[in-house]
Amino acid sequence: DSGVTQTPKHLITATGQRVTLRCSPRSGDLSVYWYQQSLDQGLQFLIHYYNGEERAKGNILERFSAQQFPDLHSELNLSSLELGDSALYFCASTARGEGNEQFFGPGTRLTVL
Amino acid sequence: DQQVKQNSPSLSVQEGRISILNCDYTNSMFDYFLWYKKYPAEGPTFLISISSIKDKNEDGRFTVFLNKSAKHLSLHIVPSQPGDSAVYFCAAKSYNTDKLIFGTGTRLQVFP
Repeated sequence: DSGVTQTPKHLITATGQRVTLRCSPRSGDLSVYWYQQSLDQGLQFLIHYYNGEERAKGNILERFSAQQFPDLHSELNLSSLELGDSALYFCASTARGEGNEQFFGPGTRLTVL
Repeated sequence: DQQVKQNSPSLSVQEGRISILNCDYTNSMFDYFLWYKKYPAEGPTFLISISSIKDKNEDGRFTVFLNKSAKHLSLHIVPSQPGDSAVYFCAAKSYNTDKLIFGTGTRLQVFP
């Protein structure tokens, strides 16, 4: 158990809908990262938040947005969903100054029908 | 452009033998490399890492080798055990960013 939690574990929805994925980092970690893993692909970096502020953006679609709250949990919002958004979404956390290892949650499997 | 490449999608090794997983990268700015192991329905689990100032790092049965001139790293597992059967991802980061760039993974199967 990495200490990073994600909910829900599975999500099935229809095209055009909007969903919210939630992540709670390890206790004390200030950074949260979101990654997307499509079928048989590596993890693709989406966005990084540090202590409530956006730090870096990757290949994140404009239909996607994220935020990190004062209690350090983070939410990834996906809107106007398309079939191609079906993927595993992982969040990871790390503490500043503790090295470069990121610790991943179990992921949310999103299926868009 | 795939900056981190794992050219072998799968590898099958007998229990007790050595498993060697390979990873190539193209970005000279990468200065830290990590290996993650992933079981089905779970998130990636950190395994071992290496800084670009080193050429070898060892942790129990796991050793990572880095060849900077060839932009190549490898993960050695000795001896391999059936519980090592998983997908292994190589990842890299550069000094000026926290994001990890992942390869596409190698599925390792260790058979008795």
